[in-house]
Amino acid sequence: AQSVTQLDSHVSVSEGTPVLLRCNYSSSYSPSLFWYVQHPNKGLQLLLKYTSAATLVKGINGFEAEFKKSETSFHLTKPSAHMSDAAEYFCVVSAPNRDDKIIFGKGTRLHILP
Amino acid sequence: SQTIHQWPATLVQPVGSPLSLECTVEGTSNPNLYWYRQAAGRGLQLLFYSVGIGQISSEVPQNLSASRPQDRQFILSSKKLLLSDSGFYLCAWRGQGLGALHFGNGTRLTVT
Repeated sequence: AQSVTQLDSHVSVSEGTPVLLRCNYSSSYSPSLFWYVQHPNKGLQLLLKYTSAATLVKGINGFEAEFKKSETSFHLTKPSAHMSDAAEYFCVVSAPNRDDKIIFGKGTRLHILP
Repeated sequence: SQTIHQWPATLVQPVGSPLSLECTVEGTSNPNLYWYRQAAGRGLQLLFYSVGIGQISSEVPQNLSASRPQDRQFILSSKKLLLSDSGFYLCAWRGQGLGALHFGNGTRLTVT
């Protein structure tokens, strides 16, 4: 069985400070893991993906995530938050070639304080 | 490059009316196609997915249906809308294997 847990429903950081959005997963397979961002009334945009290559994955807009198998985690980080980063973020786990097994976390709303 | 188009962007329909949402993909062939629904304050719920023309798998047995009449076209339908069908509907595609999902801009459906 697969599942994904985003540990915080809301995170607030000040502009210019680091961002940490936490994600833990469980999977019976070797999973693929993704982070998406969603701005209000928009579709989801892919930030980055892990597919069993390098464990530290760099994405767009300065975001990166580290796959830690021992901790079953895939946390999303950014060194310095920007106002435009305010959005909802989704962690996603996918099993190989299992279209019905793409599991979304419930999302984390990131607030950026001026 | 691949693009995905989804329309309309917003829709207001009365209870009991029919529904048709359309999604098309360009720049790729034989994509896997998906319909998701996002209710207010919740995550994404997979409604249907398709791995080929005429092949539809349903995850949620409700009054919605999906069809794939062409390789890159995916349609979400209902004969009679319910109030609970309100939400944000997202179409997505991905290639075979371990690829990421790529989403359209969504349709905001309000059933009144």
